[in-house]
Amino acid sequence: QVKLQQSGAELVKPGASVKLSCKTSGYTFSTSYMSWFKQIPGQSIEWIGMIYAGDGGTGYNQKFKGKATLTVDTSSSTAYMDLSSLTTEDSAVYFCAKPTYGYFDYWGQGVMVTVSS
Amino acid sequence: IQLTQSPSLLSASVGDRVTLSCKGSQNINNYLAWYQQKLGEAPKLLIYNTNSLQTGIPSRFSGSGSGTDYTLTISSLQPEDVATYFCYQYNNGFTFGSGTKLEIK
Repeated sequence: QVKLQQSGAELVKPGASVKLSCKTSGYTFSTSYMSWFKQIPGQSIEWIGMIYAGDGGTGYNQKFKGKATLTVDTSSSTAYMDLSSLTTEDSAVYFCAKPTYGYFDYWGQGVMVTVSS
Repeated sequence: IQLTQSPSLLSASVGDRVTLSCKGSQNINNYLAWYQQKLGEAPKLLIYNTNSLQTGIPSRFSGSGSGTDYTLTISSLQPEDVATYFCYQYNNGFTFGSGTKLEIK
């Protein structure tokens, strides 16, 4: 069955960067898309961007351009998201999710990123 | 496309028929899904393409709508349905509504 396993919670200092991972199994990663989302606890969900594992092609929400960078490692069926120049406004839960025709039917468990000095 | 959900908080009794609304700022062309999110969990897909029930989801959940106005209905509310429900559109970009928090009276 399809599984998306995200890395553990992160505590990072303002100005630093963090790399989140999403290890997949149960489907053909190399010909699939992956998206990432941000959710501040108690608030709605924002789409950050999407990557096609076949060629590494990406598309981003304008709001997250320069903040998030999506990459993949097809040898390990893992997707990554780098978040740079972190501020307290980046403190949130981040999810990876696999799309099917525009909607997302498989999600990682989420990872909490806390930005604090 | 902006999505406005109403109400933001809904309190109902077990067995009640519950209706949640989602209104788009422009035509969504039925590219509308509904997600259930319980505290501390990832969103769970309930309905896609306005009215298609995701595999494994109980039949008490149903979706309807067209144009800019969409509805999620729970025919008989169960205790395990306590959660926040988000509508989501994929007609133009990918955006979520602000959510409806559903509680049991």
